[in-house]
Amino acid sequence: NAGVTQTPKFRILKIGQSMTLQCTQDMNHNYMYWYRQDPGMGLKLIYYSVGAGITDKGEVPNGYNVSRSTTEDFPLRLELAAPSQTSVYFCASTPRVNTEAFFGQGTRLTVV
Amino acid sequence: AQSVTQPDIHITVSEGASLELRCNYSYGATPYLFWYVQSPGQGLQLLLKYFSGDTLVQGIKGFEAEFKRSQSSFNLRKPSVHWSDAAEYFCAVGGSGNTGKLIFGQGTTLQVKP
Repeated sequence: NAGVTQTPKFRILKIGQSMTLQCTQDMNHNYMYWYRQDPGMGLKLIYYSVGAGITDKGEVPNGYNVSRSTTEDFPLRLELAAPSQTSVYFCASTPRVNTEAFFGQGTRLTVV
Repeated sequence: AQSVTQPDIHITVSEGASLELRCNYSYGATPYLFWYVQSPGQGLQLLLKYFSGDTLVQGIKGFEAEFKRSQSSFNLRKPSVHWSDAAEYFCAVGGSGNTGKLIFGQGTTLQVKP
């Protein structure tokens, strides 16, 4: 079972570069999420989607964009990378509200 | 607004000793509560969850948690810790409208001494 798959696992970006973090799930879940994890801060929600074509901002959306053209995929776009975006990024999905979320393995991003 | 507090950033216990990780939440209605574990370099794995019913819930790997509404707490316990339990533990609360969003605590890092 693949579950939630994130690529790449690691990436180093230079300030001002852009990149897309890929996330795909094979469980036909409607709800998908992007979180970032910083030491001592837990996980903060960046963006989420309740279904294909529907996205909304979370707690910390500045500097990021998302799209949800299919149920399976939920890419996260970083434009003009900044050192403050150095973090570990997790994608998650859930089949419905008020149930457990399934997480990918994470992408460790460093902006230098 | 919903919030989750894990008062202990770092805990060290000896192998074989008992463990309790604290979690306090703020939420207006009945919360949906979760404990996740993250091993180094890995994603988050669900340990257990509470939605309703029995306030003592059992999870994987010998963990349990008790929901106490009067104390707004959902503490995680294990009677005897194994070296492989060394990891970071996150408490989370859900139940906000129809989005499925989770609010996470800051996390507690567990170190196990031999």
